[in-house]
Amino acid sequence: GDSVTQMEGPVTLSEEAFLTINCTYTATGYPSLFWYVQYPGEGLQLLLKATKADDKGSNKGFEATYRKETTSFHLEKGSVQVSDSAVYFCALTNQAGTALIFGKGTTLSVSS
Amino acid sequence: GAVVSQHPSWVICKSGTSVKIECRSLDFQATTMFWYRQFPKQSLMLMATSNEGSKATYEQGVEKDKFLINHASLTLSTLTVTSAHPEDSSFYICSAGQGYATEAFFGQGTRLTVV
Repeated sequence: GDSVTQMEGPVTLSEEAFLTINCTYTATGYPSLFWYVQYPGEGLQLLLKATKADDKGSNKGFEATYRKETTSFHLEKGSVQVSDSAVYFCALTNQAGTALIFGKGTTLSVSS
Repeated sequence: GAVVSQHPSWVICKSGTSVKIECRSLDFQATTMFWYRQFPKQSLMLMATSNEGSKATYEQGVEKDKFLINHASLTLSTLTVTSAHPEDSSFYICSAGQGYATEAFFGQGTRLTVV
């Protein structure tokens, strides 16, 4: 079945460092891909998404490009801030949008 | 954005007792609510989808008699873990929306520990 694999955490970085969180997927058809973020004490929020190959999703300085050839959707940010400390989930959905399939989540901790 | 409130945020209960978790949409009407579960170091897994006024649809492998879901109004869904056991200890998250899972808003989650 469809699945998402993302890198194990925690990821610990200093402020202004470059961030990459790897995400690869297995799916039939052409899924849409998502990154969600969960800040401490809050619900998951959609961070960015891409709906077709080569699309780049971006938001709040984060980017991810839908790579069909490598079945990847890696999350990147050029300069992280302490406020980016959170858990990040990669996810995909089927074409009907009736279900979300998540990765295990990666905890990011940024120190000043 | 839309707000979904989940209560309680954490709960500890004794083995054999039942626990109810509430999921409320505070500023919109949610025709569809989704319940997820996340075991430590595992993925967030969809347990069931509920539509207001009808029976929930459970994912394969989820016991409907153990995890009772009620979605009696457009702003409230409840998940009751009946006769809880330590293996039910997990992080439970709801999301609420008006159809598609990708357009639903998430609650903050409930950490259940069964002792």
